[in-house]
Amino acid sequence: GAVVSQHPSWVICKSGTSVKIECRSLDFQATTMFWYRQFPKQSLMLMATSNEGSKATYEQGVEKDKFLINHASLTLSTLTVTSAHPEDSSFYICSARGGTELNTEAFFGQGTRLTVV
Amino acid sequence: GIQVEQSPPDLILQEGANSTLRCNFSDSVNNLQWFHQNPWGQLINLFYIPSGTKQNGRLSATTVATERYSLLYISSSQTTDSGVYFCAVEPHSSYKLIFGSGTRLLVRP
Repeated sequence: GAVVSQHPSWVICKSGTSVKIECRSLDFQATTMFWYRQFPKQSLMLMATSNEGSKATYEQGVEKDKFLINHASLTLSTLTVTSAHPEDSSFYICSARGGTELNTEAFFGQGTRLTVV
Repeated sequence: GIQVEQSPPDLILQEGANSTLRCNFSDSVNNLQWFHQNPWGQLINLFYIPSGTKQNGRLSATTVATERYSLLYISSSQTTDSGVYFCAVEPHSSYKLIFGSGTRLLVRP
């Protein structure tokens, strides 16, 4: 299957600082990537859809000014958590599809565990 | 939006037992995938199965799209099968993958 790499795997930051998480598709081009958030013992909740060369589409209730998404190339999307607070502590996971059509399999990065202190 | 329900929410098995996990969805879908989330949080792709039946070793899956459900079968369970199993669907005319609430499986030696 296709490989999606996410970095860093874990990060601890101070309240008020910003954190950037990278998501790369290593062996395929992904015009669309997705960012999810997962709280302990809960399911994955879609935060936003990242589109190469255009603005991200955010799900209802997700603050676009707090969670900045950039998809500058066909293999890289970044999520920046700005002015992080303890309630932003969570597990963030990215996903990419192997093509632009419907009916293609999605692959996931290994996730980033963010702790804000 | 589409609703994705998984059952049972929790399952405890003795090693060697078989089990069936179910995923119901409320609307037509283009895509359905099953994942296993390991203790480190990594999502492992198990099946890409919008319809029909597939098998991979001790695991198999069946999706009946017209009746809006999918089943994941685990045979001869092993302790390494423990973790959370998610199904996720792509609603019709949408490119998003929506996750169910998961089934938490514990296999005891």
